[in-house]
Amino acid sequence: GENVEQHPSTLSVQEGDSAVIKCTYSDSASNYFPWYKQELGKRPQLIIDIRSNVGEKKDQRIAVTLNKTAKHFSLHITETQPEDSAVYFCAASTNFGNEKLTFGTGTRLTIIP
Amino acid sequence: GAGVSQSPSNKVTEKGKDVELRCDPISGHTALYWYRQSLGQGLEFLIYFQGNSAPDKSGLPSDRFSAERTGGSVSTLTIQRTQQEDSAVYLCASSLGGGVSGEQYFGPGTRLTVT
Repeated sequence: GENVEQHPSTLSVQEGDSAVIKCTYSDSASNYFPWYKQELGKRPQLIIDIRSNVGEKKDQRIAVTLNKTAKHFSLHITETQPEDSAVYFCAASTNFGNEKLTFGTGTRLTIIP
Repeated sequence: GAGVSQSPSNKVTEKGKDVELRCDPISGHTALYWYRQSLGQGLEFLIYFQGNSAPDKSGLPSDRFSAERTGGSVSTLTIQRTQQEDSAVYLCASSLGGGVSGEQYFGPGTRLTVT
């Protein structure tokens, strides 16, 4: 089955700087890679996703890159703000997400004011 | 519109008792998923329903766990003879399914504590 590894487990970044979180996956059949943000005590919320037919996707301060050959994908957050502090989870799925998601173990991002 | 809802929000039960957790997906979503999140951990897949197809039960940790989805809408996750290691937040998610966008929307979860 699919295995998703996520690094780092914790990340502290000065406000205004950039943050990068990296994930690798094992199943070459995976073709959908979402990123979820989970604030303390709240439900996970999708912030961006990418399909295997594109290499990069951007939405304002958030971008995701995908390298299918190396089986890794990354989340980039620029101009970080205090409200970006949360736990971020990457995930992978086949069938463009119409299957179970296999999640990474999460990254706790702290933005230092 | 209304998002995914779950009930109860919190459940405390004694070891050995059975519990039922409920999920109401977004109206029109044909796919429904159950995940489990233990304290400080990632999300672990449990079971997946898609329309009238046989569910994918590959993530259920033991035969004490079962789930059903009635009428293609509401789902109930049942844990029999609960154990302390069952303590976790149980999250339900739904998506449009049927080959359309796979974006999964999560409910607020049910926090289960087994004493």
